[in-house]
Amino acid sequence: DSGVTQTPKHLITATGQRVTLRCSPRSGDLSVYWYQQSLDQGLQFLIQYYNGEERAKGNILERFSAQQFPDLHSELNLSSLELGDSALYFCASSVDFGDTEAFFGQGTRLTVV
Amino acid sequence: AQKITQTQPGMFVQEKEAVTLDCTYDTSDPSYGLFWYKQPSSGEMIFLIYQGSYDQQNATEGRYSLNFQKARKSANLVISASQLGDSAMYFCAMREENYGQNFVFGPGTRLSVLP
Repeated sequence: DSGVTQTPKHLITATGQRVTLRCSPRSGDLSVYWYQQSLDQGLQFLIQYYNGEERAKGNILERFSAQQFPDLHSELNLSSLELGDSALYFCASSVDFGDTEAFFGQGTRLTVV
Repeated sequence: AQKITQTQPGMFVQEKEAVTLDCTYDTSDPSYGLFWYKQPSSGEMIFLIYQGSYDQQNATEGRYSLNFQKARKSANLVISASQLGDSAMYFCAMREENYGQNFVFGPGTRLSVLP
């Protein structure tokens, strides 16, 4: 168990809908990362938060947004969903400010039908 | 240009044998970290081993060791005494200090351990 909790584990929704993925980082970790893993794109970095503030942005679509709350949990909001958004979405957390590893949650498998 | 290259889409190894998974990286940042993660069929990403750019010695964690050749910009993962449970996807990743400490992942290598 990595200590990073993601909910839900599986999500099936229709095109055009909006969903929210939740992530609780490991205790003490201030940095949260979101990644999308699809068969054709591999692991793509979406966005990073550190202590509540956005720190880095990757290949995140405008239809997607995220935030990190004062208790350090994070949510990734995906709206106007398309079939191509079907993927495994990972959250990872790390202590940050140093060359430290990131620990991943088990992922949320999103299927858009 | 790809920051992380893993040239072996798939590898086979006999149980109890050693195997090397290749990883090359591209960075101009003097401070960076290199990581290997394992993703079994269940989907979770499991951290295996870490090597810092300033580390003089190759990292080792149990049966995993990282063959770090800085001048060649390579960070190959060596798994000794392979076990059936080692069958999985393996990802090499890099974290650069000057790029927000974000992790960049390679495309992965699928390792199959044969009985």
